[in-house]
Amino acid sequence: DIQLTQSPSTLSASVGDRVTISCRASQSLSVWLAWYQQRPGKAPKLLILKASTLQRGVPSRFSGSGSETDFSLTISSLQPDDFATYYCQHYKSDSLPVTFGGGTAVEIK
Amino acid sequence: EGQLLESGGGLVQPGGSLRLSCSASGLTFSSYAMSWVRQAPGKGLEWVSSISGSGASTYYAHSVKGRFTISRDNSKNTLYLQMNSLRADDTAEYYCATGGMAVATSMDVWGQGTTVTVSS
Repeated sequence: DIQLTQSPSTLSASVGDRVTISCRASQSLSVWLAWYQQRPGKAPKLLILKASTLQRGVPSRFSGSGSETDFSLTISSLQPDDFATYYCQHYKSDSLPVTFGGGTAVEIK
Repeated sequence: EGQLLESGGGLVQPGGSLRLSCSASGLTFSSYAMSWVRQAPGKGLEWVSSISGSGASTYYAHSVKGRFTISRDNSKNTLYLQMNSLRADDTAEYYCATGGMAVATSMDVWGQGTTVTVSS
């Protein structure tokens, strides 16, 4: 099974900061990686698909990059609504199980 | 835009059974592969099971294989998860989700979740 390792597990930042979260895969994914935001008590929300494609309706301050085994999610200017937990997920074609990274909690500094 | 609504969660004793349902609206249900994803209290997301649009192909996480059964009724736009031999570590919020025709996909439509608690 493909393993996804996110870092850091917790990130403390202030409104307006630029933050970057890393996701490393145990084998090549090409670009088959997604990023989700989850607020407490809520379902996950898709932010980025295919490593760098912004989901409709997601603010442009979110961006994704990377390929193969190394990926990142960047928030260019952190807003109050962005304090949440972020997960990466691989979906390599016909490669189940789908797996999620362990999550990165973005907290207020 | 599609919407998903789970139901059927509750408190069950270890070894017991429970059936979750997920009702879909606003999407061509039979064209969409569907998945169940769970989240134990204070933990991360864990994929549980997926099913193709026709229902012909099903997939399970190692942790639930042989105990859980995913199915769907396309005439009722409803997805199911039959959970047997439940254990304490099955305690979680269970979400149904979909992202299109592919079984392995990003998921852009999620339900609000239903809570399963396994405890004596």
